[in-house]
Amino acid sequence: NAGVTQTPKFQVLKTGQSMTLQCAQDMNHEYMSWYRQDPGMGLRLIHYSVGAGITDQGEVPNGYNVSRSTTEDFPLRLLSAAPSQTSVYFCASSYGAGETDTQYFGPGTRLTVL
Amino acid sequence: ILNVEQSPQSLHVQEGDSTNFTCSFPSSNFYALHWYRWETAKSPKALFVMTLNGDEKKKGRISATLNTKEGYSYLYIKGSQPEDSATYLCASRNSGNTPLVFGKGTRLSVIA
Repeated sequence: NAGVTQTPKFQVLKTGQSMTLQCAQDMNHEYMSWYRQDPGMGLRLIHYSVGAGITDQGEVPNGYNVSRSTTEDFPLRLLSAAPSQTSVYFCASSYGAGETDTQYFGPGTRLTVL
Repeated sequence: ILNVEQSPQSLHVQEGDSTNFTCSFPSSNFYALHWYRWETAKSPKALFVMTLNGDEKKKGRISATLNTKEGYSYLYIKGSQPEDSATYLCASRNSGNTPLVFGKGTRLSVIA
C-alpha cells in the first residue's frame, strides 16, 4: 500500500493564482481531512469528509474548496491564492471517525504564495 | 470548537532524563484522546489512542495515562534518547463522526 499520497511536494504561487493540491489514499478509508500547519499554531483543520459525496468545513475553511467524488481522492482547491495561505498542508485519512480510528497522514505539501 | 491544550510548548532534556508533558481537554462529552509523534520533515504518526478513564498505554519507553473526569492526559518518556526528539501532538474528539481537534504540540529536544 502507498498509504496517503500528496502532490505536489512543493509549490510557489503568485497572489491570485488558483491551484489544486491532490490527496489520494489506497486504504479504503472513509474519513479524509485537510490540515494546515503554521508555526506556533499546530494543525488546523480546513475541510473534512466522512465519505464520498459528503464534505464539511473545519476551523479555517475560507479560501479553500473541496470535493469527494471517490473514496480514494480528496483534492483541496485554492480559489485565489493569498500570502496568508503560505503554509504546509497535510492530508490525512482514517477508516472512520470512531473512538479508535487513528489518522494516517500524507507527507505534506509546502506552499508559498508570493 | 473543542479546545485542546498542551504544555509545555517546548522542552529540552538531557539524554537519559525522564520527562512528561500534559494534554488538557474538556471533560464533558469526552469520546477519545489520541497521541501522535511528529518528527521534523516527516508527517505525524499515531502513538496511542485512549478512550476509557484510567487507561494506560505503553510502547517501549513511552507511556500515556488518561483522566477523563478531570480532562487531562500525560505522556511519559523514560530515559530520553536523542531519537525521541520530536513534536508530540495530542488530539481529541467529543463524539463519533466529528473531527479530531489537535493541540499545538510539545516540542521535545533531547541533548546527547
